[in-house]
Amino acid sequence: GAGVSQSPSNKVTEKGKDVELRCDPISGHTALYWYRQSLGQGLEFLIYFQGNSAPDKSGLPSDRFSAERTGGSVSTLTIQRTQQEDSAVYLCASSSPGGAGANVLTFGAGSRLTVL
Amino acid sequence: AQKVTQAQTEISVVEKEDVTLDCVYETRDTTYYLFWYKQPPSGELVFLIRRNSFDEQNEISGRYSWNFQKSTSSFNFTITASQVVDSAVYFCALSEAPASNTGKLIFGQGTTLQVKP
Repeated sequence: GAGVSQSPSNKVTEKGKDVELRCDPISGHTALYWYRQSLGQGLEFLIYFQGNSAPDKSGLPSDRFSAERTGGSVSTLTIQRTQQEDSAVYLCASSSPGGAGANVLTFGAGSRLTVL
Repeated sequence: AQKVTQAQTEISVVEKEDVTLDCVYETRDTTYYLFWYKQPPSGELVFLIRRNSFDEQNEISGRYSWNFQKSTSSFNFTITASQVVDSAVYFCALSEAPASNTGKLIFGQGTTLQVKP
């Protein structure tokens, strides 16, 4: 697609429920990233995909968080047994494999998660 | 470890004033990229500039200019003749050497710029 698409844009859930957040990167972008932005905070790296592999999962805050990517395209971030501290905007970004676009992350609009 | 510091949490200026947003970084890499992103009230991050550590030339793009000084590990951003539409949160970021290239960005905490009419 023309840009990075994320869904849902807003999600309100109850503590203890599982949630899935979806990211559809720009077509042809092999690298995909998930970040988290809490209220008034900077952007916290969660996980990086190159194709379908995740060579860097160092930012996932706990084993309740997982992510996968299929077909080198769409990615899903899953949060199990959500807690109130998981409330944040989850941002997805993608970048092209080389050239002028290398390392330039294009971000989606984000998925705002509120855990009650 | 890599780190980006934006010491200014919030800045408020009156339209047409010039404003400089500071960014200081730490890295052990000899090659790296530096970035600025803008996050307007709508929320979507917008890429502004990428600078390779080999290139210390300052850059100007319209009312925006960037001053990269490797000696002080700083990459400051100046907006000349600010406008209300410049009101946003601005993030400075650092990524590791292209050779290892995960492309992961380390972001500063952001500076909220408010431009008043």
